[in-house]
Amino acid sequence: GQNIDQPTEMTATEGAIVQINCTYQTSGFNGLFWYQQHAGEAPTFLSYNVLDGLEEKGRFSSFLSRSKGYSYLLLKELQMKDSASYLCAVPNDYKLSFGAGTTVTVRA
Amino acid sequence: GAGVSQSPSNKVTEKGKDVELRCDPISGHTALYWYRQSLGQGLEFLIYFQGNSAPDKSGLPSDRFSAERTGGSVSTLTIQRTQQEDSAVYLCASSLVSARSDGYTFGSGTRLTVV
Repeated sequence: GQNIDQPTEMTATEGAIVQINCTYQTSGFNGLFWYQQHAGEAPTFLSYNVLDGLEEKGRFSSFLSRSKGYSYLLLKELQMKDSASYLCAVPNDYKLSFGAGTTVTVRA
Repeated sequence: GAGVSQSPSNKVTEKGKDVELRCDPISGHTALYWYRQSLGQGLEFLIYFQGNSAPDKSGLPSDRFSAERTGGSVSTLTIQRTQQEDSAVYLCASSLVSARSDGYTFGSGTRLTVV
């Protein structure tokens, strides 16, 4: 089975940096996904990591350590529009298992 | 279509009534998934369709829930004799082949409220 943990809430100031951690336990590893979900909207794909290390995509970066069962999503130069829920997910055979999500609130 | 389309976007129903939720996946996506998202909860897997294979129904919470996928495209999730605990957002997602590296494309969901 899958066990995925991430913090429930985080608050940060506009222009700052926030790091959202995700730990997971899986019977087999096939990569890790991050999704963004604004209130009342569908989750949208942010990143996919299958190898160790940091992958950068503009203001968002995602890190993976397979040996530690650990990932983080780094949001830089926070903007008000980044206020959303961020979901960590791992493949469980042919489907994704999701963490409960981290709600990030960006304050002016 | 360009994205995953779900209808209706909102549904209010009386306890005990049946409801049908529809999902139209991205054209060419062979895999289709239904998830449920309750307030403050993570996404709960319900059912998975892949091509013409038998669906994985392991996530359906009770026999009041059923789903079908006709012609390998449109899917309908049916909830019979709805209960208040069925109130949630029901999300449909599709994937090109599998979730392993393709990830999902989600629809905007159907918000179901049972009163």
